[in-house]
Amino acid sequence: KAGVTQTPRYLIKTRGQQVTLSCSPISGHRSVSWYQQTPGQGLQFLFEYFSETQRNKGNFPGRFSGRQFSNSRSEMNVSTLELGDSALYLCASSNGGQSYEQYFGPGTRLTVT
Amino acid sequence: AQSVAQPEDQVNVAEGNPLTVKCTYSVSGNPYLFWYVQYPNRGLQFLLKYITGDNLVKGSYGFEAEFNKSQTSFHLKKPSALVSDSALYFCAVSVSGGYQKVTFGTGTKLQVIP
Repeated sequence: KAGVTQTPRYLIKTRGQQVTLSCSPISGHRSVSWYQQTPGQGLQFLFEYFSETQRNKGNFPGRFSGRQFSNSRSEMNVSTLELGDSALYLCASSNGGQSYEQYFGPGTRLTVT
Repeated sequence: AQSVAQPEDQVNVAEGNPLTVKCTYSVSGNPYLFWYVQYPNRGLQFLLKYITGDNLVKGSYGFEAEFNKSQTSFHLKKPSALVSDSALYFCAVSVSGGYQKVTFGTGTKLQVIP
């Protein structure tokens, strides 16, 4: 079974731009969660989608948004990028949600200059 | 609100010695507890979880964790450390009932010295 894939793996953007990250979950998994990982803050939860519906949301500003498609693939969008958005963005999929075993992708490394 | 504390940023242990990575938690309700490991330039990998039942949980790669309700702790242990165990370890907590969020700790870097 193929694992969770994330594209692109690396991105460099300029302040004020927007960016879209993509995540393909493990086949059959309907839950996709997004996390931001930084050295100082650790792993921060962004949001979770299940069957195309946002089921849970973390404490991030509205500049961070996401969606999930009927094939369970998910995208995350960050608008008006700030320097502080530089981070590793991880996507995880599971059978039922975050309280189940999650399978993580390798992440997208976003650098904002 | 739920929270997780990993009091040690880094743990150093000699190869072959037992290792412990500490985790304490705070939730309202019955906890679900997890350990994940992250190797360099990789995503997180699931190690083990506690939902209910036996307080000693066995997981992947010879790791185990002990749930202690009175001390609200869920420490990760391994009897004999390997150099290949060197990685970043995350403890996480959720609460039973419905589709709950998971809160991760800030991570503990384990360095196993040959």
